[in-house]
Amino acid sequence: KQEVTQIPAALSVPEGENLVLNCSFTDSAIYNLQWFRQDPGKGLTSLLLIQSSQREQTSGRLNASLDKSSGRSTLYIAASQPGDSATYLCAVRRREQAGTALIFGKGTTLSVSS
Amino acid sequence: GAVVSQHPSWVICKSGTSVKIECRSLDFQATTMFWYRQFPKQSLMLMATSNEGSKATYEQGVEKDKFLINHASLTLSTLTVTSAHPEDSSFYICSARGPSNYGYTFGSGTRLTVV
Repeated sequence: KQEVTQIPAALSVPEGENLVLNCSFTDSAIYNLQWFRQDPGKGLTSLLLIQSSQREQTSGRLNASLDKSSGRSTLYIAASQPGDSATYLCAVRRREQAGTALIFGKGTTLSVSS
Repeated sequence: GAVVSQHPSWVICKSGTSVKIECRSLDFQATTMFWYRQFPKQSLMLMATSNEGSKATYEQGVEKDKFLINHASLTLSTLTVTSAHPEDSSFYICSARGPSNYGYTFGSGTRLTVV
């Protein structure tokens, strides 16, 4: 059974700092991995999606890497801002088939102080 | 970008009543929709998978007679919480596969409080 773990559970940093969020999964046979952002009481916003054949994806100040063989992904946030404060969720998709749901970690709650 | 519209965003109901939550894919067809539940400080847990025109598939431990799912069209799926109880209070969120084959689009979630 696939399990997704995110470390740390919570993180507080001052504005401007670079930071890394970690995600690990127990079954390396995944189709893709997706990072989301969730603001309190809100839905999910997709940040980055990495296919199993890819090593990393970048969008602005965000960079996500994937090491499928070791079951790990990291989300790197450069020059953090107070607006980055949110919970970041990592999710894996096991198969390509349409009926395959995402399996989520519990998330890392980030707080960036000004 | 792709949007899944979820309504209502929050609802308070009395114990024993039923509540319907709607999810619509606004600019793409969603043949498959997923319903998740999220308790405070917990991960999103998959409740069921619904396919347009067929019965939903429920995850182990989720009562199909309590959580009724209807996916009658390619753009609309509904979740009805029947005979709600305080322990059903949670954040419910839907997700549709698409618009590409790779990613998923999520609704904004529904905060259900049963009193």
